[in-house]
Parts: sequence; structure tokens; C-alpha cells
Amino acid sequence: EPEVTQTPSHQVTQMGQEVILRCVPISNHLYFYWYRQILGQKVEFLVSFYNNEISEKSEIFDDQFSVERPDGSNFTLKIRSTKLEDSAMYFCASSEELGLAGGGDKNIQYFGAGTRLSVL
Amino acid sequence: AQKITQTQPGMFVQEKEAVTLDCTYDTSDPSYGLFWYKQPSSGEMIFLIYQGSYDQQNATEGRYSLNFQKARKSANLVISASQLGDSAMYFCAMRVDQAGTALIFGKGTTLSVSS
Repeated sequence: EPEVTQTPSHQVTQMGQEVILRCVPISNHLYFYWYRQILGQKVEFLVSFYNNEISEKSEIFDDQFSVERPDGSNFTLKIRSTKLEDSAMYFCASSEELGLAGGGDKNIQYFGAGTRLSVL
Repeated sequence: AQKITQTQPGMFVQEKEAVTLDCTYDTSDPSYGLFWYKQPSSGEMIFLIYQGSYDQQNATEGRYSLNFQKARKSANLVISASQLGDSAMYFCAMRVDQAGTALIFGKGTTLSVSS
């Protein structure tokens, strides 16, 4: 069964360093997303991406964050200068299309296993 | 504003019993989707079941079913014949067409299944 793949599973970095989290979405999916989950808290939306551009971003997704689809399979999240509060689990997700939320399972977002980012 | 509420921080059930995890939602958009995800202790987020607001029937996927009551704005997850491997955190989430592409998540319910 196709799945979203994320690497690495765990990333440890020093405050102020740049990190790149990598994702391979499901191959026929057109929409890609990043979410984060701070330990013990809710899952929060960061950004969605379609047709090589950002569709939507949350207020969390400030200038320190960027996303890119460098080739036909990878989707990356870059944090330019990490802060302690960036420590979280980061999930990549993909959906076949956006479609109507109210009807059609092509808008289901499938998640990867996550990258646990620890900023020291 | 759109909102998902899960009022049960923790639920306990014995193996082979059925369990219902509650989820209520708030939106005025007629087009929305409701999703349940399972997060085991290993951390991954596993899609379980989807219900669209225009769907006429309640969704089912194997041992999972979604008790969708539109008038009450509830989308409870029912797990039949619980197994030890069902022990995990369960999240209810919603996407609303008016609000864009993002899933809005509830705070989750921890389910513990004992033998």
C-alpha cells in the first residue's frame, strides 16, 4: 500500500542551526502538507502546497520556515534558524486532490510517520 | 470559527468489547469532512475513517464505524471488538471548504485496552 515516507525519523540540532526535513508523498497525490505536534499538544497545521506553490499557511509558518519540491518526488520543510520552541514532531501529509471536503475520499490526508525534531 | 471538541481525555475498555470515542464539531459551512486518526505510542499518525457532510450513510471501515449525527454536530468513532493493539491516542479532525486546506484537530482521546 502506498505511503508517505519521512526522513529522518529523529533529528537533533543545536539552536540557531538550519534543518531540512524530508518527505516523499504518495506518488499520484497532488496536495502536500506539513503539520507539527508539540509534545502532549494538539496537531497544528503549518502549510499546504500545490502545483509548486504554497496554497495556504498558518501564522506559525513565519519567515523561518520554507517549503520546496526540489524534484518530482521529494517535498521538504526547512527551518532556517531553529529555536528551542521548534522542538516537536513534524508530520508530512499528502492527498490525491483537494476536492469537496463534504464528499469524496480523494481529499483524505495521509500522514507519514513523522520526524521528531529536538532543538538543544 | 471551526472547532473540534473531544471531551474524553482517557477511555478504558476490555478486549473484545466495543468502545465509542466522542467528537463534536462546530462549523456553519455545509461542506466539511470529518476524519479519525490513530496515533500509537510510536508516534505515527494513521488514517482510520472519513465521513463527508454530503454522505448519506455512516462510514464504516472494518472494525471502525463513524456515528455521524449532523443535527447534533457529532461524529463519534465506534471501535467494535477492541484489541490490545487498539491502545493509542485517537484524534478527530475536520476540514471545512470555506476554511481552506487545513485539517483542524481535536485534543485527542487516549484509549487503553486491557486483557
